[in-house]
Amino acid sequence: DTEVTQTPKHLVMGMTNKKSLKCEQHMGHRAMYWYKQKAKKPPELMFVYSYEKLSINESVPSRFSPECPNSSLLNLHLHALQPEDSALYLCASSQAEGSSREQYFGPGTRLTVT
Amino acid sequence: LAKTTQPISMDSYEGQEVNITCSHNNIATNDYITWYQQFPSQGPRFIIQGYKTKVTNEVASLFIPADRKSSTLSLPRVSLSDTAVYYCPPPDNFNKFYFGSGTKLNVKP
Repeated sequence: DTEVTQTPKHLVMGMTNKKSLKCEQHMGHRAMYWYKQKAKKPPELMFVYSYEKLSINESVPSRFSPECPNSSLLNLHLHALQPEDSALYLCASSQAEGSSREQYFGPGTRLTVT
Repeated sequence: LAKTTQPISMDSYEGQEVNITCSHNNIATNDYITWYQQFPSQGPRFIIQGYKTKVTNEVASLFIPADRKSSTLSLPRVSLSDTAVYYCPPPDNFNKFYFGSGTKLNVKP
């Protein structure tokens, strides 16, 4: 099974709301990622978890809060977002070590901040 | 952070073979070269990976010269459904992937 699932598929939230994005994989991967993608742009790395520990935070604003409850799950908690945070949020997973660390991506959550 | 360079866009016609080249001058000795395909509003999809020489699967072929400073993704007999953005992001030791601009392939009828 090479599937990464993400929920919800679409999310509309106001600037004062709190919401969470969820990601799940069952490939035994110990590295998980959050990316943000704006229209016609490449995915931008936000966070990397390696063995359930946050290893990379690409200077992401604190209104985005990642969480890795276990090796299969990854959450992204959202609070007090701005309209410019509207984007496609992608989750991915890969082997944490080794030379061939291909990433498997979920379908993404389309987020609209109003 | 290692980066790669690709053409921004390419046009092709149905039935043609398409070759997209990626240069990655800073690739680490042990790292593999990986290509992804992305359709609009979907996550990128892993399509092929190799270390050197040639790799072929049901989707594409990947050619990597001996110096490994570049790679060429070859799509045989493209169709309209191959219209997508193709990426060759380099990994680094900290699992930090930089996708770059990718190559937007436009297949025309």
